[in-house]
Amino acid sequence: NAGVTQTPKFQVLKTGQSMTLQCAQDMNHEYMSWYRQDPGMGLRLIHYSVGAGITDQGEVPNGYNVSRSTTEDFPLRLLSAAPSQTSVYFCASSYGTGPYEQYFGPGTRLTVT
Amino acid sequence: AQTVTQSQPEMSVQEAETVTLSCTYDTSESDYYLFWYKQPPSRQMILVIRQEAYKQQNATENRFSVNFQKAAKSFSLKISDSQLGDAAMYFCAYSGGSNYKLTFGKGTLLTVNP
Repeated sequence: NAGVTQTPKFQVLKTGQSMTLQCAQDMNHEYMSWYRQDPGMGLRLIHYSVGAGITDQGEVPNGYNVSRSTTEDFPLRLLSAAPSQTSVYFCASSYGTGPYEQYFGPGTRLTVT
Repeated sequence: AQTVTQSQPEMSVQEAETVTLSCTYDTSESDYYLFWYKQPPSRQMILVIRQEAYKQQNATENRFSVNFQKAAKSFSLKISDSQLGDAAMYFCAYSGGSNYKLTFGKGTLLTVNP
């Protein structure tokens, strides 16, 4: 199993550009989520999905869109990049919520200039 | 909204010694779960230990154990016989409420001195 994969690993964008961060998992997990990690802030939930076709907002959803057309994939779209979106982004998946371990991808370091 | 507080931004320990990382949380839920995740310099997030709130017995995983005080809403992590490979950022996390979304603390950076 590859687990949770994320592409790209690094990305530099100019303000106003759009892009999609890719996330895929091969564990048949229903629950997937996106977090951003900023220094001194821990990980904050952006969007999550409890299954294909179902998504919902987390703590910091503004400026980001998601969709979940398949169980395996959960892409994160930045609509118009801003310097405040400079961060490390993690995708995670789990069998469900509650007691289940979340499996994290390796992260994407995004810089917006 | 649930909050998770880690009051120690940085901690250090001598190799082979014991260290305790603190975590408190705020919730009105009775059913929830608590976790400690480790993030080494590789950036990979790794689950260290989990605790179900309905269980009175403290969770243990080899050298890692927790002190879960439900009434005090406290969930500390004890690392015994610290090893150089334990050096990492440690995050306390809470899962409860609607949809059991995971809420993280801001982290404690642990340094292990040889």
